[in-house]
Formats: sequence, structure tokens, C-alpha cells
Amino acid sequence: QKEVEQNSGPLSVPEGAIASLNCTYSDRGSQSFFWYRQYSGKSPELIMFIYSNGDKEDGRFTAQLNKASQYVSLLIRDSQPSDSATYLCAVNARGSTLGRLYFGRGTQLTVWP
Amino acid sequence: GAGVSQSPRYKVAKRGQDVALRCDPISGHVSLFWYQQALGQGPEFLTYFQNEAQLDKSGLPSDRFFAERPEGSVSTLKIQRTQQEDSAVYLCASSLTERVNVYQPQHFGDGTRLSIL
Repeated sequence: QKEVEQNSGPLSVPEGAIASLNCTYSDRGSQSFFWYRQYSGKSPELIMFIYSNGDKEDGRFTAQLNKASQYVSLLIRDSQPSDSATYLCAVNARGSTLGRLYFGRGTQLTVWP
Repeated sequence: GAGVSQSPRYKVAKRGQDVALRCDPISGHVSLFWYQQALGQGPEFLTYFQNEAQLDKSGLPSDRFFAERPEGSVSTLKIQRTQQEDSAVYLCASSLTERVNVYQPQHFGDGTRLSIL
């Protein structure tokens, strides 16, 4: 079982809609959770991080964390064509190298005008 | 604005050749990570440095892979006797940690796309 699983894509939503991206993780001791956006041929760009249960909002983005269910999600409100990218969920690893991240394989999002 | 810089951006090598990939982290960043990203997959951890110390190399796929960061700044990932399965994007990330801290985000470079013929 992979450490981090993301809902299979691709995900396609119309402009202005809410895009919902989901992620589950297997290590119950994980403490930090990150969402990266990756445009084709570009580096992953950090857009949100969360480490407490509940919601964290930043502009059009909301990250949600439920540690009991080992579930992280990212909501994008008022989706724009420029949001079209692959979204990577990343979770820190426990152990001697806490900074190491485990990534999901990503969900490709397309926002059509 | 100095982000993480990687070179070369693209590298083509014949099977069996050695390659060296360079990473310049953000100035002052203590932690440096290497990841390998295959097409359609998320990045996979390779190795981690804190200053010049290589604290974790458990993700290196074989002894053909070697990484160093001799002065605690620039890092080089070397792959010896390359094979076709080494073809991937190699990403470097750095973070501002003086000691291990789970809340410090990692900032990525644009990667080196390695193709082995």
C-alpha cells in the first residue's frame, strides 16, 4: 500500500466551479500535510500546508484535514483556467528524517472556460 | 529572486555513461533533498542532507547513485553506468531548517530531465 493515495483523475470542471481534490495517507503519525501544484514541465509549487485538524483557508484555496480518518482535501473555489495543473498531495514522514515527504501520484485538474 | 537552481535542465546520455546533476539551494537553506519523478508519478524521495551531512540515503535505488554536498551548499547527484530506467526528472528541494522541523515547507527547483538512450 502506498503511503499517500490521491483520487484518480483527470478531474474536469467548468470555470467558476468548485474543484475538490482528495488524499488519504497510511501513516497515522504523520504531522504535516502539503498541497503542491505542478504545471507541465515545471517544478512543484507549494500552495497550502496544514497540520491541525479542521479547515485552513487562503484566498480561493481551502485545505481540510481529518487525522482520525487520515484524510486531506483541497478545495479550489471559483476555479480558473489558470488552475489547470497537476495537484500533488504530500505528507511528512515519521522517523529520523522528519523532513522527508511522501507524495501521491497527483490529480490532473482541467478547468474549461 | 534566488530560488532553487538546477543544472542542466536537460541531459541526454547513452546507456552506461556517468552523469552529474547539480543543485544550488536557496541561500541559507540548511536542508536539501533529492527526489526522482517518473512520468505521471509523484516525486519519490532519494536522499536528504542537513548542511554537509547526508542523514538519509535510503531512497537511492542502487549503489550507482551517489550524492554529495561537501560544503553544505551546492549538491551534486551522480549516477554511474546509467541505465534506461534511470530516465526521469530529478528534482532538488531545500528548506530553511536548522534542525529537523516538520513544519518547514520544501521549495523545489525546476528539475533536470534525464533521458538515457
